Order: sequence, then structure tokens, then C-alpha cells
Amino acid sequence: KQEVTQIPAALSVPEGENLVLNCSFTDSAIYNLQWFRQDPGKGLTSLLLIQSSQREQTSGRLNASLDKSSGRSTLYIAASQPGDSATYLCAVKGDSWGKLQFGAGTQVVVTP
Amino acid sequence: DTAVSQTPKYLVTQMGNDKSIKCEQNLGHDTMYWYKQDSKKFLKIMFSYNNKELIINETVPNRFSPKSPDKAHLNLHINSLELGDSAVYFCASSHGVNYGYTFGSGTRLTVV
Repeated sequence: KQEVTQIPAALSVPEGENLVLNCSFTDSAIYNLQWFRQDPGKGLTSLLLIQSSQREQTSGRLNASLDKSSGRSTLYIAASQPGDSATYLCAVKGDSWGKLQFGAGTQVVVTP
Repeated sequence: DTAVSQTPKYLVTQMGNDKSIKCEQNLGHDTMYWYKQDSKKFLKIMFSYNNKELIINETVPNRFSPKSPDKAHLNLHINSLELGDSAVYFCASSHGVNYGYTFGSGTRLTVV
């Protein structure tokens, strides 16, 4: 059974610092891994999708790496801004039916 | 706008009532999902439909019944609502196993 863990559970940094969010999963047989952002009381916004054959994906200040063999992904957010404050969720797709297994999330606060 | 849209956004109802949540996607995706986010913010899959056929049915009380009239719509009907059903319910869609998810903005259900 796939288990997804996100560390840390919460993170507070001053504006301008780089953010490093970690995600680990127990079963390396995945199709892809997706990072989402959730603002309080809102839905999930997709940030990056990494296929199992890829090592990383980049979008603007965001970079996500994937090491499938060790069951790890890291989301880097460069030069954090107060607007980056949100909960970040990672989810892995591990079966052909497309079921996503989510981590519990990392709650990020960026202080001005 | 291309999106996954859910209605209603908020739903407050008494125990024992029956309620429905509707979901529509105009992304042309062939698979749709219902996820439940509990009070601890953990997201867990409930159901999935692929081209109107049920493909995932997690351990969910049979008071919950999904219905997919066509591949663009997936509704969730809940009978005899209980206090423990209070949560945020998210609809999502995906094009296939190698593609990412697009989520709706959620329906906050409160049972009183």
C-alpha cells in the first residue's frame, strides 16, 4: 500500500529565502507525481507534474525533482514571497486507474 | 473558461437529510473523481468514473452514491447525512494515466 509523507508539516520563513519541501513515497512503481498548492478555504491548484521517467520539472521560481528509486521528490521555491503562503501537497499516481495518493501537506508561511 | 466546476460551494444541512453535489468538466477528460478532505485536511479518494463507468470505489458507506450521466459530469448523492460526513468534497478530472489532475474548487458540507 502506497504511503506518502511530507516533511516538514509546517514551515515559516522570511521573505526572500528559498523554500525546500520534501515528499517521500513507499512504492516506487508510480506513473507520475504532482505538486499542488491549496490556499485556505480554496481548491487545489496544480503546480508541477513530473512523469516517472523524468528527473525534474521547472516553472518560473518552482523546481521539482524526482528520485523514483529512493521514493523522494523535492519542491524548491526560489526567493519566496508572502504570496507563496499556502499548503503544498504532493500526490503520486501509482496505478493504471489513476488514483492519486496524497501526503498530508506542508503549511508554508512567508513573512514580509 | 476551461475548468472543473462544482455546485454548490457551501452546503449546510441537518442530520438525516439527503443531498447532492454536482460536478462538470469541460476539459474533454475521460476520467472523473470524487475526493474527500477531512478536518485534518487529508485528501482521500472516494470514487472514480472512466467514460461513465465506475472504476474506483473505495471503502465508502453505501449512503454515498456517485452517478455519471456522461463523461463530462459526475454527481455525488448522499443519503441519511451524518455529522461525520462534514468535510470538503472535491471533484477532479484527468485525461489518462500519464496526465495530471485538475481539481474543482470544492464543496464544503456541514451537517448539523
